[in-house]
Amino acid sequence: NAGVMQNPRHLVRRRGQEARLRCSPMKGHSHVYWYRQLPEEGLKFMVYLQKENIIDESGMPKERFSAEFPKEGPSILRIQQVVRGDSAAYFCASSPSPSGASTDTQYFGPGTRLTVL
Amino acid sequence: GENVEQHPSTLSVQEGDSAVIKCTYSDSASNYFPWYKQELGKGPQLIIDIRSNVGEKKDQRIAVTLNKTAKHFSLHITETQPEDSAVYFCAATFQGAQKLVFGQGTRLTINP
Repeated sequence: NAGVMQNPRHLVRRRGQEARLRCSPMKGHSHVYWYRQLPEEGLKFMVYLQKENIIDESGMPKERFSAEFPKEGPSILRIQQVVRGDSAAYFCASSPSPSGASTDTQYFGPGTRLTVL
Repeated sequence: GENVEQHPSTLSVQEGDSAVIKCTYSDSASNYFPWYKQELGKGPQLIIDIRSNVGEKKDQRIAVTLNKTAKHFSLHITETQPEDSAVYFCAATFQGAQKLVFGQGTRLTINP
């Protein structure tokens, strides 16, 4: 039973390029979350998606960042025109459909470490 | 606002001793409190979680206690082993949202 998969594990980009990070949720999970972790810091929520829907993007920077979770295929976090401050570890988590008003357990992938030169 | 404070930031204990990490949260409506362990270069791994209708939960050497009145929860690791060395994060949800708000992390070192 494969866990959450992320690729690439490491990504190097030059300033101004685009970064695409991919996340495949655990089997049977239909909800995906993206978090960012700066060096020596905790994780910060970015966006929460269901298939073809963005549910909560309150943590997404207003510019250059976008996310999608299409009907088929992995979720994609896209960063356009990267800057040095985007260097971080980006983690994806997945959960089954949250039951009623309760919060469902989130399982994390291994992360993508983005380095912007 | 949405805030989780975690203490201490670093903790060093002798192998076999107990370790305790504490977190406080700001929203009295929070109802879900997971703990994650993160090893170097890896993603966070869920080790235990507790929901607001339970005061304490235990899984072998790991336990979590929740005090909703004081808005704090704690992780207890007993009989620590070298493989317990890692960074531990607490988290909480706020106002019924699904997103997790994380504490700043505690770097736990177990000395042999």
